[in-house]
Amino acid sequence: EAEVAQSPRYKITEKSQAVAFWCDPISGHATLYWYRQILGQGPELLVQFQDESVVDDSQLPKDRFSAERLKGVDSTLKIQPAELGDSAMYLCASSLDREKDGYTFGSGTRLTVV
Amino acid sequence: AQRVTQPEKLLSVFKGAPVELKCNYSYSGSPELFWYVQYSRQRLQLLLRHISRESIKGFTADLNKGETSFHLKKPFAQEEDSAMYYCAIEGNYGQNFVFGPGTRLSVLP
Repeated sequence: EAEVAQSPRYKITEKSQAVAFWCDPISGHATLYWYRQILGQGPELLVQFQDESVVDDSQLPKDRFSAERLKGVDSTLKIQPAELGDSAMYLCASSLDREKDGYTFGSGTRLTVV
Repeated sequence: AQRVTQPEKLLSVFKGAPVELKCNYSYSGSPELFWYVQYSRQRLQLLLRHISRESIKGFTADLNKGETSFHLKKPFAQEEDSAMYYCAIEGNYGQNFVFGPGTRLSVLP
């Protein structure tokens, strides 16, 4: 079964450092999402791509977060500088036919900022 | 903006007992509603969506527009149902997909 790949699985970084996460969606899925899930809460959408274009980044803290999907396939989410409050699970998801199949999630990157 | 509430953070039931996970939403249009599940050490995955009116693993959910609810039900809980359950709402045209805070279901032997 096709999966959404994310790396790294775990990342520990010091406050004020830069950190980046990578996501490779299921082949053919045009829509890609980045979510942040703080412990004890539901996932919160950060950014949504349709192919290489950003569709929704209204919840992305743009002063420190950036996301790109240059060729409309894999995507990178970057935080610079990282803050203690950024510690969370960062989930990537993709979809082809959201009405039929919903979203397929990756296993996530757990970020700890120390 | 749409919002999803799940009033119970933790729900414990005994095996074989009925279970109902509550979900209420606020949205001015005609939403699409979903339940996602995350089993221990596994990825978040779609359980069911209201437009399909399906039953998955014995779970069903009915959209009640009058009460703005989409509660998840199963008549006889199994131990393997223990997981985190998230209710989610999607606005028009696939935008603004919002998750609730989740309910942890624990099915006791």
